[in-house]
Amino acid sequence: QVQLQESGPGLVKPSQTLSLTCTVSGGSIRSGGYYWSWIRQHPGKGLEWIGNIHYSGSTYYNPSLKSRLIISVDTSKNQFSLRLSSVTVADTAVYYCARIEDSGWFFDYWGQGTLVTVSS
Amino acid sequence: QTVVTQEPSFSVSPGGTVTLTCGLSSGSVSTSYYPSWYQQTPGQAPRTLIYSTNSRSSGVPNRFSGSILGNKAALTITGAQADDECDYYCVLYLGSGISIFGGGTKLTVL
Repeated sequence: QVQLQESGPGLVKPSQTLSLTCTVSGGSIRSGGYYWSWIRQHPGKGLEWIGNIHYSGSTYYNPSLKSRLIISVDTSKNQFSLRLSSVTVADTAVYYCARIEDSGWFFDYWGQGTLVTVSS
Repeated sequence: QTVVTQEPSFSVSPGGTVTLTCGLSSGSVSTSYYPSWYQQTPGQAPRTLIYSTNSRSSGVPNRFSGSILGNKAALTITGAQADDECDYYCVLYLGSGISIFGGGTKLTVL
């Protein structure tokens, strides 16, 4: 059973960089047929796709976040990471990592989510 | 800009049937968009219900079903139960690695 776990600071100051890591267990991040994704949910709002990465390093980003976003992968640690720069209070959200099964392009496993608050 | 539309809220009686829909601001939803559906209860991560239009995820009861109805993707719940009361999100795949979530439907069972 694949499990994903987000980790990182719960509080980030405005204008700084938000950094999160997702650790994958129960399976290899190098397994074929999958992408690895970040999704966020603003308080009381809906879900927003942030971006995906393949273990090869190929990335796909939400155009609305692309200029501030870097998603990377560390196959040796079975982890992938999110860096979102120049954050504002509007980036306060629960951030989820998830796995995408690419034959049906759907999120099949999710992390439990982590709340990141942007505040001075 | 592409927007995925869902009913903001819906109500169903216990034991009843409800169909939630997922549309596009411009154009029709087809199987080529690989519509998927997720259930989310407050404070929890989403749970995958349906993928590739009408395939049920492992462990999902068969009273949840997916389809294309007209120009939209649809999630039908038959025999609604109290614990079906939560939020439902659809996702459409636009190609080139890009997915878009609908705004979600808050389902009330009463």
